[in-house]
Amino acid sequence: QVQLQQSGPGLVKPSETLSLTCTVSGDSISSYYWSWIRQPPGKRLEWIGYINYSGSTNYNPSLKSRVTMSVDTSKRQISLKLNSVTAADTAVYYCGMYRNGYYEAWGQGTLVIVSS
Amino acid sequence: DIQMTQSPSTLSASVGDRVTITCRASQSISSWLAWYQQRPGKAPKLLIYKSSTLESGVPSRFSGSGSGTEFTLAISCLQPDDFATYYCQQYNSYPHTFGQGTKLEIK
Repeated sequence: QVQLQQSGPGLVKPSETLSLTCTVSGDSISSYYWSWIRQPPGKRLEWIGYINYSGSTNYNPSLKSRVTMSVDTSKRQISLKLNSVTAADTAVYYCGMYRNGYYEAWGQGTLVIVSS
Repeated sequence: DIQMTQSPSTLSASVGDRVTITCRASQSISSWLAWYQQRPGKAPKLLIYKSSTLESGVPSRFSGSGSGTEFTLAISCLQPDDFATYYCQQYNSYPHTFGQGTKLEIK
């Protein structure tokens, strides 16, 4: 069974870069697509984008100019960077995996607060 | 983007009741719809995919139906564990989008 373990800081200053990592265990990283999804307090889930094992990406147009996802297959890690953050980027961030479009497993979530 | 709208936003019910939640898509998504359950402070958990296929390990009191733009999640014989928030998600096209959620509360 695939398990996703997230890591990264829970507090980021405005205008700086949010960085999170998702470490995969239990299955091959090449078998899935890997997404980041966020949930601002009291709001719906928002898809940030995906990356696959070869590094192909697709980002949400609403965030595309500020997002970078990367994959390190040797470390079995997927990373998210979101630059120029503001208070509107405060949210719980999840990594998730899918093969056919629906999310079969999720990381535990990381609350990231943007504040000085 | 495809907009997903759930109704109701909040639903009050009792243990043993049967409830239904509706999810509407702003355009046809065929059967490319999933349902998730989320408990406070936890990640969403997949319940149903492809509109009506039950994920392994999910109790059979959960069922899904629909195609095109209108979908339904039904939960029969509510158990205490079922009181949570439910989300639909379309995966017909990118960006994947989610409904605003339906909070199922104990009456």
